[in-house]
Amino acid sequence: AQKVTQAQTEISVVEKEDVTLDCVYETRDTTYYLFWYKQPPSGELVFLIRRNSFDEQNEISGRYSWNFQKSTSSFNFTITASQVVDSAVYFCALKTGRRALTFGSGTRLQVQP
Amino acid sequence: EAGVTQSPTHLIKTRGQQVTLRCSPISGHTSVYWYQQALGLGLQFLLWYDEGEERNRGNFPPRFSGRQFPNYSSELNVNALELEDSALYLCASSLESGQGAAGELFFGEGSRLTVL
Repeated sequence: AQKVTQAQTEISVVEKEDVTLDCVYETRDTTYYLFWYKQPPSGELVFLIRRNSFDEQNEISGRYSWNFQKSTSSFNFTITASQVVDSAVYFCALKTGRRALTFGSGTRLQVQP
Repeated sequence: EAGVTQSPTHLIKTRGQQVTLRCSPISGHTSVYWYQQALGLGLQFLLWYDEGEERNRGNFPPRFSGRQFPNYSSELNVNALELEDSALYLCASSLESGQGAAGELFFGEGSRLTVL
């Protein structure tokens, strides 16, 4: 079985603060892919990043960075200097084999001006 | 390039009725996925179609069904609607569908179904 846990239901920060969204996954497969998606109020999920299980190198993209640690089965997402436009629901997801993506329950981020 | 398109965007039905939701994938994508997102909940996997065949099914009753057409578009049918079927139904398409494929999904804006 595979499972994704996003323990933080909702986070509220003030603009320019850094914020980290946690994601913990469970799988018995040795080959898997991890994803982060952003869901703004419009509803459409926007792909942010994909990482395969053999690549633990952290990645930075502008104000976004991702920390993948297989030892703790975590794939955390950090937004540096948050902005109001970052307000959305963020989903972590896991794909193994021929199964469809399994999503976590999401973390709602509110960035206050 | 057009993204994933879904129709209708909003609809209201009453208990016991039937509904059909439609999805057109990105051109060239052969896999279509359906997810249900009830209010305040995460995305629950419903169905996965690839090359016209049902590849996988989530933990939903048989009154949730669908199909994929030769042009890779898809329909989701829900029979005997219940109040708890009220949700945003999201369709996604993917280019990769083989064993171990990365499975990056591109989502549509969804069809919001309200059951009264």
